[in-house]
Amino acid sequence: DTAVSQTPKYLVTQMGNDKSIKCEQNLGHDTMYWYKQDSKKFLKIMFSYNNKELIINETVPNRFSPKSPDKAHLNLHINSLELGDSAVYFCASSQRLAGGDLAKNIQYFGAGTRLSVL
Amino acid sequence: LAKTTQPISMDSYEGQEVNITCSHNNIATNDYITWYQQFPSQGPRFIIQGYKTKVTNEVASLFIPADRKSSTLSLPRVSLSDTAVYYCLVGDRGSTLGRLYFGRGTQLTVWP
Repeated sequence: DTAVSQTPKYLVTQMGNDKSIKCEQNLGHDTMYWYKQDSKKFLKIMFSYNNKELIINETVPNRFSPKSPDKAHLNLHINSLELGDSAVYFCASSQRLAGGDLAKNIQYFGAGTRLSVL
Repeated sequence: LAKTTQPISMDSYEGQEVNITCSHNNIATNDYITWYQQFPSQGPRFIIQGYKTKVTNEVASLFIPADRKSSTLSLPRVSLSDTAVYYCLVGDRGSTLGRLYFGRGTQLTVWP
């Protein structure tokens, strides 16, 4: 069983389209995250949700809208895709948001979704 | 946030011990140090974390001197499958609200 799973693994689309990436974790964690890794391999946090509540929005354009229907799922919807959105998007989860026992702050990442905007 | 500096790349041969050092001169009192590993086409994977002195698990050891301005990830007897990017992260338990700030990382290449 994959702990953090993302679908699709690859996504190729045209500029201007709207697309969604789904993420599910079966670890029973409270917190989920979205990260973006660009072509230079820099990995940057985009969002985090704790118990379905948005905690972090790291100055991401509002074309990106995360949705958390429940604690186990955090989906990412992207409107009006642009060339610069091409990247690998990673979902992650941790048992808790921060503080206390360090082991509970460890983040577990999915395998990533490679988005190519043509 | 404390900035981290690591070598961009390192090479080693199978069976050798590899030590990757990370500098974090501005580390704060509440900051802890975490290392992640990323293989090509995969997400980062937690390796080890610590606050001071030495931490060891089944994968690696983490050495943190008393001043905590640097840390060293030690990988014993590396194999080809240890070829990956290794990230050193420094963060506060509470103020970053779980944010992980990844730098460039160190590309470790293990040769036969």
